[in-house]
Amino acid sequence: DTEVTQTPKHLVMGMTNKKSLKCEQHMGHRAMYWYKQKAKKPPELMFVYSYEKLSINESVPSRFSPECPNSSLLNLHLHALQPEDSALYLCASKSRQGPHREAFFGQGTRLTVV
Amino acid sequence: DQQVKQNSPSLSVQEGRISILNCDYTNSMFDYFLWYKKYPAEGPTFLISISSIKDKNEDGRFTVFLNKSAKHLSLHIVPSQPGDSAVYFCAASAQGGSEKLVFGKGTKLTVNP
Repeated sequence: DTEVTQTPKHLVMGMTNKKSLKCEQHMGHRAMYWYKQKAKKPPELMFVYSYEKLSINESVPSRFSPECPNSSLLNLHLHALQPEDSALYLCASKSRQGPHREAFFGQGTRLTVV
Repeated sequence: DQQVKQNSPSLSVQEGRISILNCDYTNSMFDYFLWYKKYPAEGPTFLISISSIKDKNEDGRFTVFLNKSAKHLSLHIVPSQPGDSAVYFCAASAQGGSEKLVFGKGTKLTVNP
């Protein structure tokens, strides 16, 4: 099973709203990632959690707030977003052990900020 | 500074022929390379990977070749099928830390029936 589950699949929110994106994996992976992808661009790294601790923040604005409640879950809390934040938000997970270093991605949340 | 480059934005091949997608990298600390396939509005799907200790890895119709001295890798798909039509991303990581993936800009492959 290489499944990473993201909810919701689609989200429309106003600039004053607060919403959360959720990600879940049951592969025992101890590294989890948030990426942002705009149309016709590669995925762009936002945050990395390693053993439930934030290890990388790629200078992401504070209106994006990640949270890792446990080793299987990763959230991204959204507040006061701008229309330019509309994008596909991807969660990924990866094992920290063994020779295989593939990251597995969820299907993404298509976010539209109005 | 783009550390992973896919210089061909698009590639078109006939069904049954070979597709060759290319990728170059600049960071000599990269030691693990991956190819992902992506359909619109979906997450990338892992295809195949290669460690820097190897120069070839094969999985069914997919083969990845790594030339470390040239800092170049390629993905061969043979025979190509219409279902292979998608955007293909090359990605690289360096051991240590959180091993973040650095992606190229992608190549859109179209396989014509």
